[in-house]
Amino acid sequence: GAVVSQHPSRVICKSGTSVKIECRSLDFQATTMFWYRQFPKQSLMLMATSNEGSKATYEQGVEKDKFLINHASLTLSTLTVTSAHPEDSSFYICSAPHKQGSYEQYFGPGTRLTVT
Amino acid sequence: QKEVEQNSGPLSVPEGAIASLNCTYSDRVSQSFFWYRQYSGKSPELIMSIYSNGDKEDGRFTAQLNKASQYVSLLIRDSQPSDSATYLCAVDFTGGGNKLTFGTGTQLKVEL
Repeated sequence: GAVVSQHPSRVICKSGTSVKIECRSLDFQATTMFWYRQFPKQSLMLMATSNEGSKATYEQGVEKDKFLINHASLTLSTLTVTSAHPEDSSFYICSAPHKQGSYEQYFGPGTRLTVT
Repeated sequence: QKEVEQNSGPLSVPEGAIASLNCTYSDRVSQSFFWYRQYSGKSPELIMSIYSNGDKEDGRFTAQLNKASQYVSLLIRDSQPSDSATYLCAVDFTGGGNKLTFGTGTQLKVEL
């Protein structure tokens, strides 16, 4: 199957600092990538759609100025959590469709963010 | 609001049995349905996709879709302890935009 990587896998940061998470498609190009967040014992919630070469589309209730998304190339999208707070501690997962127009998404391994 | 509903479980089945996982969704016009498996602490892994009414089989897995009843299920034959995980049902309500809405998942435990 398609391979999507994320870095870092785990990060601990202090409240008020910013954290950048990278999502890469390793063997295919992705004009669109998706960022999800998963709190413990809950399901995945879509945060935003990352579009290569244009602005991200954010879901209702997600602050675009807090969660900065950049999709500068066809294989890389980044999510920056700015001024992180303990309530931002979560499991952040990106995904990408393997083929242009494919309905099947493949997920990265996720990034566990802990804000102290 | 469009929703995907799953029984949280846990669903316990003995090794070798058939596990049946169910999912209902709220929008009759939805076209794309997916089952993902998620092990604890890991990200979801795609198991099956289904787009048409009826059954779709892949190895030990069979997905069943009934759009009239707004119901999709996943059957796992010859369940193994390694199948123990949370199974997430996902629906694309947007009709091709890849925006998935996930259910809360059903925890499956396959017992020796």
